[in-house]
Amino acid sequence: GQQVMQIPQYQHVQEGEDFTTYCNSSTTLSNIQWYKQRPGGHPVFLIQLVKSGEVKKQKRLTFQFGEAKKNSSLHITATQTTDVGTYFCAGGGSNYKLTFGKGTLLTVNP
Amino acid sequence: DADVTQTPRNRITKTGKRIMLECSQTKGHDRMYWYRQDPGLGLRLIYYSFDVKDINKGEISDGYSVSRQAQAKFSLSLESAIPNQTALYFCATSDPLLAGDTGELFFGEGSRLTVL
Repeated sequence: GQQVMQIPQYQHVQEGEDFTTYCNSSTTLSNIQWYKQRPGGHPVFLIQLVKSGEVKKQKRLTFQFGEAKKNSSLHITATQTTDVGTYFCAGGGSNYKLTFGKGTLLTVNP
Repeated sequence: DADVTQTPRNRITKTGKRIMLECSQTKGHDRMYWYRQDPGLGLRLIYYSFDVKDINKGEISDGYSVSRQAQAKFSLSLESAIPNQTALYFCATSDPLLAGDTGELFFGEGSRLTVL
C-alpha cells in the first residue's frame, strides 16, 4: 500500500534558525496536506497542495509539492518558540484516504 | 465548545474488557474517521465512514469495530482490549469540496487509552 516517509524524526534548533522537514511517497499523490500538533494537543490542518510543483507560503512557512507529486517539504524561516510541535505530512491517494508520515518533532531553544 | 468532541478523554482499563470511545461532531460533515497515534509511528487509520450507512476498514482495523449511529456520531469499540492497544485515539471529520478529494481533517481532542 501507499507509504509516506518523513524525515527527520527529530530536529532541535536555536530560535532564529531555519527548519525543514521532508516527505516522500512510494506512489504518486493526488494531493498532500500538512498538519501541526502542539505538545499535548491534536493535529491542526496547515495547508493542502494539489498541483505539481506548487509552492505556497504562510508567513514564515513555505510548502512545496514536487514536480512528480511524490515528495513535499515544509520550510520554516527564523523559527520561534511558538513553532514547537510535531509536523505531519499526509498524502492523499486515489482511495480518498490520507496516509500520514510519522512526523518531525521540532524543538526550539530560546 | 469543540466542534469534534471525544469521550472519554482518558481511560484506564484491564486486558479483556470491552471499551467504547465516542465521537460527536457539530460541523455537519458526512465523513468521519478514527485514527490511532503511537509515539514515533504517526497517525494510522483504523476505520472511516463517508455516510451513516457506510463503514470502511483502514490500515489497522483488526481488534476494533465501529458504529455510525447518526451523521454526527461515530463510535469506536475494542471488544476485548489488549495492552498493545494502549494509544492516543483521535476522531476526525472532513467535508471535501471536490468528490475525489479528502478534504481538511478536523480532529477531536483525543482519547488516551491505557490497557493494563
